[in-house]
Amino acid sequence: EIVMTQSPATLSVSPGERATLSCRASQSVSSNLAWYQQKPGQAPRLLIYGASTRATGIPARFSGSGSGTEFTLTISSLQSEDFAVYYCQQYNNWPHTFGQGTKLEIK
Amino acid sequence: QITLKESGPTLVKPTQTLTLTCTFSGFSLSTSGVGVGWIRQPPGKALEWLALIYWDDDKRYSPSLKSRLTITKDTSKNQVVLTMTNMDPVDTATYYCAHTLRWFGEFFDYWGQGTLVTVSS
Repeated sequence: EIVMTQSPATLSVSPGERATLSCRASQSVSSNLAWYQQKPGQAPRLLIYGASTRATGIPARFSGSGSGTEFTLTISSLQSEDFAVYYCQQYNNWPHTFGQGTKLEIK
Repeated sequence: QITLKESGPTLVKPTQTLTLTCTFSGFSLSTSGVGVGWIRQPPGKALEWLALIYWDDDKRYSPSLKSRLTITKDTSKNQVVLTMTNMDPVDTATYYCAHTLRWFGEFFDYWGQGTLVTVSS
């Protein structure tokens, strides 16, 4: 089973600033990597798939990069609605494992 | 548009079997490439991938839970059912079902609202 490790566990950033979240896979997942955003009491929402393709309706301030074992989600200028928990998921090998999440909080 | 909704008991006793139903609309599980998966999330914890079934009845399970899980589909009713045997308090979680497309990448693009299942005597 591929282990997905996200860092940091919590990230404190001020509105308007850039946030960079990391996700590392225990073995290569090629570009088969998705990012999700989850707000309290809500289901996860797909942000990025294929490591760098934004899902429908996702603002351009969200961008993904990386391949193989190292991936990054960048939010270029944080808006109030972006403070949430973010999960990465690999879908290269079964089971399609999730990371433990990064909580993005207001500084 | 695509929607999914989970239903089932909110409370189960230890050792009982949990049966959850995902009822969906906006797509068909008889369409090539379509899949529906189950994911759970214990309170305050991370997401855990559980199982997935495809239009062609291909089924995938989490290895750590495979002996306890069964996923089935009823195409005519637009439903996917997940059963989990021998429930334990550690299985207390919100259970989500979600849509995926094999040909496009097996991530989940549409999710249900989730249903909280508590395991307690």
